[in-house]
Amino acid sequence: AQSVTQLGSHVSVSEGALVLLRCNYSSSVPPYLFWYVQYPNQGLQLLLKYTSAATLVKGINGFEAEFKKSETSFHLTKPSAHMSDAAEYFCAVSGTGGYQKVTFGTGTKLQVIP
Amino acid sequence: DTGVSQNPRHKITKRGQNVTFRCDPISEHNRLYWYRQTLGQGPEFLTYFQNEAQLEKSRLLSDRFSAERPKGSFSTLEIQRTEQGDSAMYLCASSLGLAQETQYFGPGTRLLVL
Repeated sequence: AQSVTQLGSHVSVSEGALVLLRCNYSSSVPPYLFWYVQYPNQGLQLLLKYTSAATLVKGINGFEAEFKKSETSFHLTKPSAHMSDAAEYFCAVSGTGGYQKVTFGTGTKLQVIP
Repeated sequence: DTGVSQNPRHKITKRGQNVTFRCDPISEHNRLYWYRQTLGQGPEFLTYFQNEAQLEKSRLLSDRFSAERPKGSFSTLEIQRTEQGDSAMYLCASSLGLAQETQYFGPGTRLLVL
Protein backbone atom coordinates (compact mmCIF):
# COMPACT_ATOMS: atom_id res chain seq x y z
CA ALA A 1 0.00 0.00 0.00
CA GLN A 2 1.16 3.50 -0.75
CA SER A 3 0.23 6.85 0.67
CA VAL A 4 1.40 10.43 0.79
CA THR A 5 1.08 13.00 3.52
CA GLN A 6 1.10 16.68 2.71
CA LEU A 7 2.05 18.83 5.64
CA GLY A 8 0.00 22.00 5.79
CA SER A 9 -3.33 22.31 4.06
CA HIS A 10 -2.70 26.05 3.53
CA VAL A 11 0.58 27.83 2.90
CA SER A 12 0.98 31.58 2.45
CA VAL A 13 4.06 33.22 0.98
CA SER A 14 4.88 36.71 -0.16
CA GLU A 15 5.42 37.35 -3.83
CA GLY A 16 9.11 36.77 -4.57
CA ALA A 17 9.63 34.53 -1.53
CA LEU A 18 10.64 30.88 -1.51
CA VAL A 19 7.86 28.36 -1.97
CA LEU A 20 8.21 25.10 -0.02
CA LEU A 21 5.41 22.55 -0.05
CA ARG A 22 6.05 19.40 1.94
CA CYS A 23 5.24 15.84 0.98
CA ASN A 24 6.20 12.60 2.70
CA TYR A 25 5.43 9.25 1.19
CA SER A 26 4.99 5.71 2.35
CA SER A 27 5.57 2.86 -0.04
CA SER A 28 6.53 -0.79 0.25
CA VAL A 29 8.10 -0.69 -3.20
CA PRO A 30 10.27 1.89 -4.97
CA PRO A 31 7.82 4.64 -5.81
CA TYR A 32 7.09 6.99 -8.60
CA LEU A 33 6.23 10.41 -7.20
CA PHE A 34 4.32 13.27 -8.75
CA TRP A 35 3.31 16.83 -8.07
CA TYR A 36 0.16 18.14 -9.70
CA VAL A 37 -1.32 21.64 -9.63
CA GLN A 38 -5.03 22.44 -9.75
CA TYR A 39 -6.43 25.88 -10.48
CA PRO A 40 -10.00 26.66 -9.42
CA ASN A 41 -12.64 24.70 -11.34
CA GLN A 42 -10.02 22.98 -13.46
CA GLY A 43 -8.50 19.54 -13.69
CA LEU A 44 -5.04 18.61 -12.49
CA GLN A 45 -1.90 19.51 -14.42
CA LEU A 46 1.36 17.63 -13.94
CA LEU A 47 4.17 19.82 -12.59
CA LEU A 48 6.86 17.17 -12.36
CA LYS A 49 7.48 13.51 -11.67
CA TYR A 50 10.19 11.33 -10.17
CA THR A 51 10.72 7.99 -11.88
CA SER A 52 13.95 6.74 -10.26
CA ALA A 53 16.33 8.66 -12.48
CA ALA A 54 17.79 11.91 -11.09
CA THR A 55 16.75 12.65 -7.53
CA LEU A 56 16.38 16.37 -8.27
CA VAL A 57 13.51 16.79 -10.66
CA LYS A 58 12.80 20.00 -12.53
CA GLY A 59 9.30 20.75 -13.66
CA ILE A 60 7.29 23.43 -15.34
CA ASN A 61 6.88 27.02 -14.16
CA GLY A 62 10.19 27.00 -12.27
CA PHE A 63 9.23 24.30 -9.77
CA GLU A 64 11.50 21.50 -8.68
CA ALA A 65 11.42 18.67 -6.18
CA GLU A 66 14.04 16.47 -4.57
CA PHE A 67 13.52 12.79 -3.83
CA LYS A 68 15.11 11.90 -0.48
CA LYS A 69 14.79 8.21 0.24
CA SER A 70 16.30 8.49 3.73
CA GLU A 71 13.63 11.01 4.70
CA THR A 72 10.86 9.50 2.53
CA SER A 73 10.23 13.02 1.28
CA PHE A 74 9.51 14.71 -2.02
CA HIS A 75 9.15 18.39 -1.18
CA LEU A 76 8.23 20.90 -3.89
CA THR A 77 10.13 24.18 -4.11
CA LYS A 78 10.29 27.32 -6.20
CA PRO A 79 12.85 30.04 -5.50
CA SER A 80 10.55 33.00 -6.10
CA ALA A 81 6.77 32.91 -5.85
CA HIS A 82 4.63 34.58 -8.47
CA MET A 83 1.02 35.61 -8.10
CA SER A 84 0.08 33.09 -10.78
CA ASP A 85 1.37 30.26 -8.55
CA ALA A 86 -1.68 30.60 -6.29
CA ALA A 87 -3.43 27.25 -6.66
CA GLU A 88 -3.81 23.90 -4.94
CA TYR A 89 -0.95 21.45 -5.16
CA PHE A 90 -1.23 17.69 -4.86
CA CYS A 91 1.53 15.21 -4.18
CA ALA A 92 0.90 11.70 -5.48
CA VAL A 93 2.58 8.29 -5.40
CA SER A 94 2.40 5.13 -7.44
CA GLY A 95 4.30 1.90 -7.69
CA THR A 96 6.52 1.08 -10.64
CA GLY A 97 6.18 -1.39 -13.43
CA GLY A 98 3.07 -1.84 -15.52
CA TYR A 99 -0.14 -0.26 -14.30
CA GLN A 100 -0.02 1.12 -10.80
CA LYS A 101 -2.79 3.09 -9.18
CA VAL A 102 -1.90 6.67 -8.28
CA THR A 103 -2.72 7.75 -4.75
CA PHE A 104 -3.06 11.46 -4.06
CA GLY A 105 -2.47 13.50 -0.95
CA THR A 106 -5.07 15.85 0.46
CA GLY A 107 -3.55 18.90 -1.17
CA THR A 108 -1.95 22.17 -0.10
CA LYS A 109 -3.50 25.50 -1.07
CA LEU A 110 -0.85 28.06 -1.84
CA GLN A 111 -1.68 31.70 -1.30
CA VAL A 112 0.68 34.32 -2.70
CA ILE A 113 0.52 37.69 -0.99
CA PRO A 114 1.44 40.73 -3.07
CA ASP B 1 -3.61 16.95 -28.98
CA THR B 2 -6.85 18.43 -27.75
CA GLY B 3 -6.53 17.08 -24.24
CA VAL B 4 -9.05 15.17 -22.15
CA SER B 5 -12.56 16.55 -22.35
CA GLN B 6 -15.48 15.94 -20.01
CA ASN B 7 -19.15 16.72 -20.37
CA PRO B 8 -21.10 18.20 -18.82
CA ARG B 9 -18.90 20.50 -16.77
CA HIS B 10 -21.62 21.02 -14.19
CA LYS B 11 -24.66 18.97 -13.25
CA ILE B 12 -27.33 19.73 -10.69
CA THR B 13 -29.80 16.96 -9.98
CA LYS B 14 -32.33 15.95 -7.40
CA ARG B 15 -31.75 13.07 -5.04
CA GLY B 16 -32.88 9.80 -6.57
CA GLN B 17 -32.28 10.80 -10.17
CA ASN B 18 -29.79 9.10 -12.47
CA VAL B 19 -26.91 11.02 -14.03
CA THR B 20 -24.37 10.14 -16.70
CA PHE B 21 -21.05 11.79 -17.38
CA ARG B 22 -18.88 11.44 -20.44
CA CYS B 23 -15.11 11.50 -20.82
CA ASP B 24 -13.23 11.72 -24.10
CA PRO B 25 -9.56 10.81 -23.57
CA ILE B 26 -6.59 11.87 -25.63
CA SER B 27 -7.01 9.92 -28.84
CA GLU B 28 -4.00 7.58 -28.69
CA HIS B 29 -4.30 6.84 -24.97
CA ASN B 30 -5.13 3.25 -24.03
CA ARG B 31 -5.76 3.80 -20.34
CA LEU B 32 -8.61 5.76 -18.84
CA TYR B 33 -9.26 6.50 -15.18
CA TRP B 34 -12.11 7.94 -13.16
CA TYR B 35 -11.54 9.75 -9.88
CA ARG B 36 -13.80 11.49 -7.41
CA GLN B 37 -12.71 14.63 -5.59
CA THR B 38 -14.61 16.10 -2.66
CA LEU B 39 -13.96 19.48 -1.09
CA GLY B 40 -10.67 19.61 0.75
CA GLN B 41 -9.53 16.24 -0.51
CA GLY B 42 -7.31 14.92 -3.23
CA PRO B 43 -8.71 12.83 -6.05
CA GLU B 44 -9.75 9.32 -5.03
CA PHE B 45 -9.46 6.49 -7.52
CA LEU B 46 -12.74 4.99 -8.72
CA THR B 47 -11.99 2.78 -11.68
CA TYR B 48 -9.58 2.12 -14.53
CA PHE B 49 -9.87 0.87 -18.12
CA GLN B 50 -7.26 -0.62 -20.39
CA ASN B 51 -8.85 -0.12 -23.80
CA GLU B 52 -12.42 -1.38 -23.33
CA ALA B 53 -11.67 -3.66 -20.39
CA GLN B 54 -12.46 -2.41 -16.89
CA LEU B 55 -9.53 -3.82 -14.92
CA GLU B 56 -9.92 -2.34 -11.48
CA LYS B 57 -12.72 -0.87 -9.39
CA SER B 58 -12.41 0.84 -6.05
CA ARG B 59 -14.56 -0.10 -3.10
CA LEU B 60 -15.78 3.51 -3.38
CA LEU B 61 -17.62 2.44 -6.52
CA SER B 62 -20.88 1.18 -5.05
CA ASP B 63 -23.40 -0.82 -7.06
CA ARG B 64 -25.13 2.46 -7.94
CA PHE B 65 -22.11 3.42 -10.01
CA SER B 66 -21.29 1.92 -13.38
CA ALA B 67 -18.64 2.84 -15.90
CA GLU B 68 -18.20 1.75 -19.48
CA ARG B 69 -15.73 2.31 -22.24
CA PRO B 70 -17.24 0.81 -25.39
CA LYS B 71 -14.77 0.33 -28.23
CA GLY B 72 -11.98 1.62 -26.03
CA SER B 73 -12.59 5.25 -26.85
CA PHE B 74 -14.82 7.52 -24.77
CA SER B 75 -16.09 6.45 -21.37
CA THR B 76 -19.27 7.07 -19.43
CA LEU B 77 -19.82 7.06 -15.70
CA GLU B 78 -23.41 6.60 -14.56
CA ILE B 79 -24.70 7.13 -11.06
CA GLN B 80 -28.12 5.68 -10.34
CA ARG B 81 -30.43 6.88 -7.57
CA THR B 82 -28.13 9.73 -6.67
CA GLU B 83 -27.59 10.65 -3.03
CA GLN B 84 -26.41 13.92 -1.53
CA GLY B 85 -23.15 12.24 -0.64
CA ASP B 86 -22.45 11.79 -4.33
CA SER B 87 -21.92 15.53 -4.68
CA ALA B 88 -18.32 15.92 -5.81
CA MET B 89 -16.06 16.68 -8.73
CA TYR B 90 -15.68 13.67 -11.01
CA LEU B 91 -12.37 13.67 -12.83
CA CYS B 92 -11.32 11.63 -15.81
CA ALA B 93 -7.72 11.03 -16.80
CA SER B 94 -6.01 9.14 -19.58
CA SER B 95 -2.54 7.83 -20.26
CA LEU B 96 -0.58 6.09 -22.98
CA GLY B 97 -0.07 2.87 -21.08
CA LEU B 98 3.68 2.96 -20.66
CA ALA B 99 5.68 2.08 -17.57
CA GLN B 100 6.51 5.63 -16.54
CA GLU B 101 3.23 7.06 -17.59
CA THR B 102 1.76 10.43 -16.85
CA GLN B 103 -1.96 10.70 -16.35
CA TYR B 104 -3.52 13.67 -18.13
CA PHE B 105 -6.61 15.02 -16.45
CA GLY B 106 -9.75 16.53 -17.86
CA PRO B 107 -11.44 19.60 -16.34
CA GLY B 108 -13.90 17.49 -14.39
CA THR B 109 -17.68 17.36 -13.97
CA ARG B 110 -18.98 18.99 -10.82
CA LEU B 111 -22.08 17.22 -9.51
CA LEU B 112 -24.46 18.74 -7.00
CA VAL B 113 -27.22 16.54 -5.66
CA LEU B 114 -30.01 18.47 -3.99
